[in-house]
Amino acid sequence: EIVLTQSPGTLSLSPGERATLSCRASQSINSIYLAWYQQKPGQAPRLLIQGASSRATGVPDRFSGSGSGTDFTLSISRLEPEDFAVYYCQHFGSSLWTFGQGTKVEIK
Amino acid sequence: EVQLVESGGGLVQPGGSLRLSCAASGFTFSSYTMHWVRQAPGKGLEWVSSITGSSNAIYYADSVKGRFTVSRDNAKNSLYLQMNSLRAEDTAVYYCARGYSSVWYFMGHWGQGILVTVSS
Repeated sequence: EIVLTQSPGTLSLSPGERATLSCRASQSINSIYLAWYQQKPGQAPRLLIQGASSRATGVPDRFSGSGSGTDFTLSISRLEPEDFAVYYCQHFGSSLWTFGQGTKVEIK
Repeated sequence: EVQLVESGGGLVQPGGSLRLSCAASGFTFSSYTMHWVRQAPGKGLEWVSSITGSSNAIYYADSVKGRFTVSRDNAKNSLYLQMNSLRAEDTAVYYCARGYSSVWYFMGHWGQGILVTVSS
């Protein structure tokens, strides 16, 4: 079973700054099976990035995903007030879905 | 507009059973893989189960295998999760989610979630 480890646990930044979130897989994975989700307090998660780098419908272009093998990154170019949330990476493989533990992006 | 509405949650004693439902609208339900994902209070997301559009493939997390059963009724545009032998660690908000277009293995639309509390 693939284990996804996200870092850092919490990222304290100011609006307008760039955010870089990491997701590391316990073994090499096919990037087409890697996604990122955003979850705001009291809300359901929202799909942001699928296939490691493709934005989901309606996702602003300040969000971008990259990576391959075991190391994947979600970047937010300039943080807007509505971007402060928890972000999860997710993998599908061998008939199993796994989530990372999440990275909280908080206002500094 | 895609809408997913969960129901059937509540308080149940350890060892008890509960059946969650998810009513879907705004899309051709039978064409999409559906998922259940849960989130314990203050914790992260945990995938629970998935079922393809025709129910020909069903998947479970090890933590619920043998206790939970996912099913769907395409005529009623509804998804179900029968939960038996419930444990305290099953306490969570349960979300139903729809596959993301042709990328069926990602969750593109989510319901608002329903709370299940397992406690005596």
